[in-house]
Amino acid sequence: DAGITQSPRHKVTETGTPVTLRCHQTENHRYMYWYRQDPGHGLRLIHYSYGVKDTDKGEVSDGYSVSRSKTEDFLLTLESATSSQTSVYFCAISPEADQPQHFGDGTRLSIL
Amino acid sequence: AQSVAQPEDQVNVAEGNPLTVKCTYSVSGNPYLFWYVQYPNRGLQFLLKYITGDNLVKGSYGFEAEFNKSQTSFHLKKPSALVSDSALYFCAVRDNTNAGKSTFGDGTTLTVKP
Repeated sequence: DAGITQSPRHKVTETGTPVTLRCHQTENHRYMYWYRQDPGHGLRLIHYSYGVKDTDKGEVSDGYSVSRSKTEDFLLTLESATSSQTSVYFCAISPEADQPQHFGDGTRLSIL
Repeated sequence: AQSVAQPEDQVNVAEGNPLTVKCTYSVSGNPYLFWYVQYPNRGLQFLLKYITGDNLVKGSYGFEAEFNKSQTSFHLKKPSALVSDSALYFCAVRDNTNAGKSTFGDGTTLTVKP
């Protein structure tokens, strides 16, 4: 399996608090992605990165920010969490855009 | 804009029978197409991809998929289903002019009954 680790794996927090999820890879892949998975919606892209400090928005980026200061780490931040952001968040990596993505095991985030 | 449709939320087949999970797509450029499988409480796992070349693509665990440009389809198939194939399957598309942004279908739950 590709070396990709998400932390934390589970988190419960309250509305209005900041939350940061971390994705760490050991594969030196160029591309990193954050998705959310909700019933009936499949996977939806939040943000992705195509290199250190190079990021772009996905289809559901409102309320989320990202940072990539090192090749191996991609952080997803919810500045002020809302209940609508309760979801399962997946990080993925790929060496190039035309290559398959390898996924972490997800972070289950509950916002009360 | 690119999009993917998986018209069936659920597919049920008997063990040993052939299975098909359907996927149609829409892109403005040439498509990169992927199938992934997800087991409970796990991330998605790559099964197969089509970038260019032969329309019939073979992948992991005996799965294959046929790219049909005229019908804009990329159906996943397996000649003989196993109970262990029961899982959630996702089709994904990426436009070759839209590097980095993949669009996933909503997923199809495959149940294989003994």
